[in-house]
Amino acid sequence: NAGVTQTPKFRILKIGQSMTLQCAQDMNHNYMYWYRQDPGMGLKLIYYSVGAGITDKGEVPNGYNVSRSTTEDFPLRLELAAPSQTSVYFCASIPGAAGNTIYFGEGSWLTVV
Amino acid sequence: GDSVTQMEGPVTLSEEAFLTINCTYTATGYPSLFWYVQYPGEGLQLLLKATKADDKGSNKGFEATYRKETTSFHLEKGSVQVSDSAVYFCALSDQRGRRALTFGSGTRLQVQP
Repeated sequence: NAGVTQTPKFRILKIGQSMTLQCAQDMNHNYMYWYRQDPGMGLKLIYYSVGAGITDKGEVPNGYNVSRSTTEDFPLRLELAAPSQTSVYFCASIPGAAGNTIYFGEGSWLTVV
Repeated sequence: GDSVTQMEGPVTLSEEAFLTINCTYTATGYPSLFWYVQYPGEGLQLLLKATKADDKGSNKGFEATYRKETTSFHLEKGSVQVSDSAVYFCALSDQRGRRALTFGSGTRLQVQP
């Protein structure tokens, strides 16, 4: 199994540009998440989804949008990029049952200049 | 809301020294508890977990016990190696609703030869 796949791995954006971080999982997991990790900090939840067609905000959703049209895919859209969005982004998924281990993607390093 | 507090780093130890990284949490209900490790430039790897009170998680010589009475999940290792140098994150997962992870801010461990 490929697990959780994120693309791109690295990206440099100019202020005001938009882009989409892709996330796909092949484990038929219901729950999917987007986190961001700022330098020297822990991960903060941006958005999450408990199934296809259902998304909700986490702790730091401003400046981002998500969609979940299929079980496999959970793209994160950055609109009007700002330097404060320079971060490492992690996508993750779990099946949904209590106690399940969460699976992380390898991360996407984004710099906004 | 849920929160995780870790001891601040960096923690600097000599090889073969005993390691303790403190972690306490605040949560409603009965969360699952996790330790993740992050090596430079990499994503997060699950180190160990515990899903109920008094459970002990262990892996690669690391151990942590879920202490409900003190709301703690301290990470320990009897003899650290240079290869253990990394950032360690304590996290909890709510067992209802979104099942997302809440992370501590991380503790950097530096092991010197």
